[in-house]
Amino acid sequence: QSALTQPDSVSGSPGQSITISCTGTSSDIGTYNYVSWYQQHPGKDPKLMIYEVSNRPSGVSDRFSGSKSANTASLTISGLQAEDEADYYCCSYISSSTPYVFGSGTKVTVL
Amino acid sequence: QLQLQESGPGLVKSSETVSLTCTVSGGSISSTPYYWGWIRQPPGKGLEWIGHIYYSGSAYHNPSLKSRVTMSVDTSKNQFSLNLSSVTAADTAVYYCARLGGLSAPDVRRAFDYWGQGTLVTVSS
Repeated sequence: QSALTQPDSVSGSPGQSITISCTGTSSDIGTYNYVSWYQQHPGKDPKLMIYEVSNRPSGVSDRFSGSKSANTASLTISGLQAEDEADYYCCSYISSSTPYVFGSGTKVTVL
Repeated sequence: QLQLQESGPGLVKSSETVSLTCTVSGGSISSTPYYWGWIRQPPGKGLEWIGHIYYSGSAYHNPSLKSRVTMSVDTSKNQFSLNLSSVTAADTAVYYCARLGGLSAPDVRRAFDYWGQGTLVTVSS
């Protein structure tokens, strides 16, 4: 199972909105609504930001939102802030035999 | 607050087996319906799911690692473990343990919601 495809980098100015895409196939993202997104600052462990495509865990800012269309999931960060500068990874459930695959990762830069 | 902490050797020689343990505090490893997983990250690269295990011992692992992965649970110590055999330089990575919500979890389902800080494993020749 290949990694999900994400853009290497996305950038935006403070206050702007950016969207990170995560492209899979009809066997993973296209079939299951179990896409999650993780934020990772340098040297830190990943933090869950979105689960089940669009749900936010308690404590995560509502500036983060998720969506899905066909085989592509997206994470949108609204009102971009300096603290949002980090790497972001998507993850999808695939099947009961090989459950999970991560995306290739996207570096978000706040200009 | 649930906390996870990895422990392991740090440095292992090529062809040997690396053994890592994750200690869970602030909650029970037998709590349902949660699984306990391992994810790794080579230096400067992305995340890779290694596998996960239920407190009963049912386990799933990434087929790309073939038969080199063995996972176990020790409910008496509130710990779970990963053994990776025949390691090579390609296995050098930060290894994270994490909790995975099951399909019937009340909140986070099929996502990793609590993570350890990670432990670096370096494979030397």
